[in-house]
Amino acid sequence: DAGVIQSPRHEVTEMGQEVTLRCKPISGHNSLFWYRQTMMRGLELLIYFNNNVPIDDSGMPEDRFSAKMPNASFSTLKIQPSEPRDSAVYFCASSPGGQGNSPLHFGNGTRLTVT
Amino acid sequence: DQQVKQNSPSLSVQEGRISILNCDYTNSMFDYFLWYKKYPAEGPTFLISISSIKDKNEDGRFTVFLNKSAKHLSLHIVPSQPGDSAVYFCAARSNDYKLSFGAGTTVTVRA
Repeated sequence: DAGVIQSPRHEVTEMGQEVTLRCKPISGHNSLFWYRQTMMRGLELLIYFNNNVPIDDSGMPEDRFSAKMPNASFSTLKIQPSEPRDSAVYFCASSPGGQGNSPLHFGNGTRLTVT
Repeated sequence: DQQVKQNSPSLSVQEGRISILNCDYTNSMFDYFLWYKKYPAEGPTFLISISSIKDKNEDGRFTVFLNKSAKHLSLHIVPSQPGDSAVYFCAARSNDYKLSFGAGTTVTVRA
C-alpha cells in the first residue's frame, strides 16, 4: 500500500528560479496538508486542502508561494521566485479526516536548497 | 508562539530501560494529542494518540499519559530498543484540522 509520495526528494536551485514540489496523497484521503520544517521554526503548516479545496492558506509565507490541488490524487507547491531563506524540508501529508484523532500520514519530504 | 513545547531536545537511554519523553502545551482548547516518530531523511510517522477524555493510552511498548490540569503529556517507551532511536514529535489539535507540533526530542538508545 503506497504512502504519500513526494517528488523530487532533493532540489537545488539558484535564487530567482521557480521551484515546483509535487505530492500524491494516499488514495481515499480527503485532506491534504503542506508543511515546512526548518531549524528555527520546526514543523509549520503552510496550507490545508479538504476535498481538493484550499481551506486555510494562512501559513503560506508570501505571495511567492502558491499551492494547487487540481484533483484528489495530486497537489503542487510552487515557489516563484525562490530565495535562499526558502531552503527547508517541505512535507506533504494526507489524512482520511483531518480532524480529531485522525493522524496525518507524511511523505518523505523534499529537501530544497536555494543558493 | 509555540503552543506545544518539548523542553528536552535530547534524551539518551540504555537499551532495555524506560524512555520518558515530555510535552507541555498552552492551549486549553486542545482535545487531541498525537506522537510522531521521525527517522533521518524520512517523514514523521504516527505512533500513538490520546483524546482529552482519557488520561492514558497504551499500544504495545508505547504508553501516553495525559494530565489536563497540568497541560502536560508524556510518552513512555518500555523497554527501549535500538530501533527507537529517532526524533519524537508531540502534536496537538482542538476539534479542527490544525495540528501544532513541538520542536522534537532526539532519542538515542545505547546498546
